[in-house]
Amino acid sequence: AQSVAQPEDQVNVAEGNPLTVKCTYSVSGNPYLFWYVQYPNRGLQFLLKYITGDNLVKGSYGFEAEFNKSQTSFHLKKPSALVSDSALYFCAVRDETGRRALTFGSGTRLQVQP
Amino acid sequence: GAVVSQHPSRVICKSGTSVKIECRSLDFQATTMFWYRQFPKQSLMLMATSNEGSKATYEQGVEKDKFLINHASLTLSTLTVTSAHPEDSSFYICSARDPKKSTNTEAFFGQGTRLTVV
Repeated sequence: AQSVAQPEDQVNVAEGNPLTVKCTYSVSGNPYLFWYVQYPNRGLQFLLKYITGDNLVKGSYGFEAEFNKSQTSFHLKKPSALVSDSALYFCAVRDETGRRALTFGSGTRLQVQP
Repeated sequence: GAVVSQHPSRVICKSGTSVKIECRSLDFQATTMFWYRQFPKQSLMLMATSNEGSKATYEQGVEKDKFLINHASLTLSTLTVTSAHPEDSSFYICSARDPKKSTNTEAFFGQGTRLTVV
């Protein structure tokens, strides 16, 4: 079975400061890892993914994430937070077959203060 | 990129009535679509996997007679909440992935449907 853990319900950061949203995963075989963002009453928007290759992946809106196999982590990062980054962030995993649905973490609410 | 469209975005219905939610893939043919339910301030929980031309696969604890899924074409899956009750009020989201693309491509999500049963 595959699972994702997002240990922080909420992350608060001041505008302009770096942000990190944590994610750890468990999956059989090679993990396909994703980050999505959700704004109120909206669907999920894709931010970035790790499939293979460089451990540091860059995505939309200046976000990046670092895949760490030994720690089974895939933390989301951004060097300088914006107030508009305030939203709900979900980490997700699926196996490499692609036949199964994504398994989501519990979500982390990011609050960026001006 | 691929687009998934969900309709309606918001619906209010009376207890005991049925509500249909549509999920369409606009620029690809989706043999498989996924339906999720999201409770307030919680994560997305997979309800069922919708398979074109065959029966849906429901997750444990999801009532198949209450949440009817029909995937009649390669671009449309519908979720019907039958005999709705207030506890069915939730945010429902569908997703699909283009099967013709590599397995490493991301899934695309509909805009979600906020269902309120009064």
